[in-house]
Amino acid sequence: GQQLNQSPQSMFIQEGEDVSMNCTSSSIFNTWLWYKQDPGEGPVLLIALYKAGELTSNGRLTAQFGITRKDSFLNISASIPSDVGIYFCAGMNYGGSQGNLIFGKGTKLSVKP
Amino acid sequence: GAGVSQSPSNKVTEKGKDVELRCDPISGHTALYWYRQRLGQGLEFLIYFQGNSAPDKSGLPSDRFSAERTGESVSTLTIQRTQQEDSAVYLCASSRTGGNGYTFGSGTRLTVV
Repeated sequence: GQQLNQSPQSMFIQEGEDVSMNCTSSSIFNTWLWYKQDPGEGPVLLIALYKAGELTSNGRLTAQFGITRKDSFLNISASIPSDVGIYFCAGMNYGGSQGNLIFGKGTKLSVKP
Repeated sequence: GAGVSQSPSNKVTEKGKDVELRCDPISGHTALYWYRQRLGQGLEFLIYFQGNSAPDKSGLPSDRFSAERTGESVSTLTIQRTQQEDSAVYLCASSRTGGNGYTFGSGTRLTVV
């Protein structure tokens, strides 16, 4: 089945730093989604991308849908403490298996000690 | 309701007992997913309901797992003869069309002792 490779698995951030994470797939998707999950909560949708090459921003977050439709990245600019959490990418194809939505394994953001 | 509601929020059960988890999707959402998330892991697809179509059960890990949904309303996930390996957070998500970003509930944390 389709697999998503999300990297890095974890990273430490210092307030004010920019953060970047990405997802790659062996096959194409029609839609890329980025979610954030806080402890004890379900994932919350951050950004949705529907077209190859699309670059979308949501405040300090910017995400892009790769031209090949096999990858996407998420950037966070000027990170703040409340950015910590787990970020998941998800790819979607209409009519595909697994009910269309496939998740990466997550990138865990923690504050640098 | 305003969001996806899951109950109970926490469940501790003895090994071998059956458990039933409930998901109330957002009103009007035709698509509903169940996912399993083990501690520190990503989201593992279990089952997908889309309207009145036959559900996609390809993610259910064994015949001890089953799920039902009546129309476009409440869904229940049942785990029979629970095992310790079933301990995880079970997340439900719903979507209006099946093609947009999904809204997640806060999950049910299941602990099998």
